[in-house]
Amino acid sequence: DAGVIQSPRHEVTEMGQEVTLRCKPISGHDYLFWYRQTMMRGLELLIYFNNNVPIDDSGMPEDRFSAKMPNASFSTLKIQPSEPRDSAVYFCASSPAEVGLGQMSFEAFFGQGTRLTVV
Amino acid sequence: GENVEQHPSTLSVQEGDSAVIKCTYSDSASNYFPWYKQELGKRPQLIIDIRSNVGEKKDQRIAVTLNKTAKHFSLHITETQPEDSAVYFCAAMDNNAGNMLTFGGGTRLMVKP
Repeated sequence: DAGVIQSPRHEVTEMGQEVTLRCKPISGHDYLFWYRQTMMRGLELLIYFNNNVPIDDSGMPEDRFSAKMPNASFSTLKIQPSEPRDSAVYFCASSPAEVGLGQMSFEAFFGQGTRLTVV
Repeated sequence: GENVEQHPSTLSVQEGDSAVIKCTYSDSASNYFPWYKQELGKRPQLIIDIRSNVGEKKDQRIAVTLNKTAKHFSLHITETQPEDSAVYFCAAMDNNAGNMLTFGGGTRLMVKP
């Protein structure tokens, strides 16, 4: 497996524009997470899905942010309209719920991230 | 919800010395505690983890200890090398409440040659 794949790697956009970040999780993983990383706030969980269903979106900063997972192999994080304070690195991660009989693996595998700059 | 505090925020050591990073957590139900290493411009990657039924775990030069009573856990790196320089994050999770990790604020470790 190629790991978690995010696109684009870099995005520069003007304030007010819509931004869509994309993520392909590792095949077979049940959980998908969207994180935002900034110097000031560290790694923040925005939202996570279990079997394509949103479980906790309490970290989504405001209504300008939305996330979807239409199927097990694809998720999007959308910001509309974007603002300069949204500039950050956005990571997608996936993890399995259970690996093998009686064994649990909770490792979260991160994608390369999308560096978003809103000017 | 869970709250994870991590100290120190920066740590500078001489090559060959040991480094210790400490974390505390608030939710007594948490039962899984991983450590991630993030090199500059790269993604966070798991380096070691520990579950609540274990007090200590070692993997070559790195070890993690867990004190469930006190709700704190620590990362120990021995014989540090320049390539250990990175940001390290601790995290905590209650796997009975989903696989949601709560991360500490990170520690920037600098190993001086």
